[in-house]
Amino acid sequence: NAGVTQTPKFQVLKTGQSMTLQCAQDMNHEYMSWYRQDPGMGLRLIHYSVGAGITDQGEVPNGYNVSRSTTEDFPLRLLSAAPSQTSVYFCASSYGARRSGGYTFGSGTRLTVV
Amino acid sequence: QQQVKQSPQSLIVQKGGISIINCAYENTAFDYFPWYQQFPGKGPALLIAIRPDVSEKKEGRFTISFNKSAKQFSLHIMDSQPGDSATYFCAARSGNKLVFGAGTILRVKS
Repeated sequence: NAGVTQTPKFQVLKTGQSMTLQCAQDMNHEYMSWYRQDPGMGLRLIHYSVGAGITDQGEVPNGYNVSRSTTEDFPLRLLSAAPSQTSVYFCASSYGARRSGGYTFGSGTRLTVV
Repeated sequence: QQQVKQSPQSLIVQKGGISIINCAYENTAFDYFPWYQQFPGKGPALLIAIRPDVSEKKEGRFTISFNKSAKQFSLHIMDSQPGDSATYFCAARSGNKLVFGAGTILRVKS
């Protein structure tokens, strides 16, 4: 049981480049979400999904796109990377946002945009 | 603007002491209040959680105290150990969104 798997673990991008951060879970969780973690700001919600085909915006969605074609996968796309997107990105999943039990987080992707 | 305000930013406690981290919120729609623990290079992991109809919840050395009228909740770590050194986040849920405090870096000195 792998839990939540994020790839890559580290990435350096040039300003303007695009990339996709991958997130996969094998726990049959309905709910998946993306957070970014910045020093002194905690974790901020970027986008979330309550099931396949359903996504919605979080606190800081600008510059990021998501889709959810399967229960297992929830990729995060940066269309045109900016230095302000330098951060550590975490994917999290749970059986349901409103069900008891916490979120399972991946180990993160550290992204640097130069 | 942080929806959940967490303090202190950092905390140093002697081994065996009590660590206390506080959080405050304004949104009365929050209905679930978890605490997460994060070690360097790892993702956050659920530590303990409470619902607003309960004033206190204890699991081992970890206790959440919840004051609904004051819109405050806190984490107490009894008999703090060096292995408790980590970053702690409080969080609050409203609808499908879980929002986090800014985090507290705890160091337990042996």
